[in-house]
Amino acid sequence: EVQLVESGGGLVQPGGSLRLSCEASGFIFSSNWLSWVRQAPGKGLEWVADIKEDGSEKYYVDSVKGRFTISRDNAKNSLYLQMNSLRAEDTAVYYCARRRPTYYLDYWGQGTLVTVSS
Amino acid sequence: QTVVTQEPSFSVSPGGTVTLTCGLSSGSVSTSYYPSWYQQTPGQAPRTLIYNTNTRSSGVPDRFSGSILGNKAALTITGAQADDESDYYCVLYMGSGIYVFGAGTKVTVL
Repeated sequence: EVQLVESGGGLVQPGGSLRLSCEASGFIFSSNWLSWVRQAPGKGLEWVADIKEDGSEKYYVDSVKGRFTISRDNAKNSLYLQMNSLRAEDTAVYYCARRRPTYYLDYWGQGTLVTVSS
Repeated sequence: QTVVTQEPSFSVSPGGTVTLTCGLSSGSVSTSYYPSWYQQTPGQAPRTLIYNTNTRSSGVPDRFSGSILGNKAALTITGAQADDESDYYCVLYMGSGIYVFGAGTKVTVL
């Protein structure tokens, strides 16, 4: 059974940093692209970032470029999102998801809430 | 900035049919955008319904179907049931590693 479990969310002040983790199981982690998707309270879904199987390619939505970094550790079956210079508008539930070769997400974690507030 | 458009809301009667669409603020949606659809109920993670325009994800009932209608991607629910009451999101692949979600459609079954 495929499982994705996010952790690391919490309350952080504007300008602060946070590192999210996503631990995966039930599939060959190193053979899959992975994604982060977020959802602000009461709002829709927003794709945030993607990372290739070996970490050699990374893509970001414009609003987080230069502030967020997606990474992975295939030895630990873990995906990460380092978030710096956080803003109030980054407040959201952050989901990790497995991305398939034809550009869709087939498995999702349950999400971790990040709140940016003073 | 490309915007993916969806109807804000739809209401459908139990047993009825509803078609949600997914368009572009500029241009037409084709299979080259690899449209996919996701269902989400409050407090839950999204669930994948349709990918590659018209392929149902594992375990998705066949009352859900995807297509291209005119210049938009479409999700049709045929024979709506009470537990289809959810938010539905489409996402399009824009190329160069970039995806854009639509704002979602809230479907009410009553």
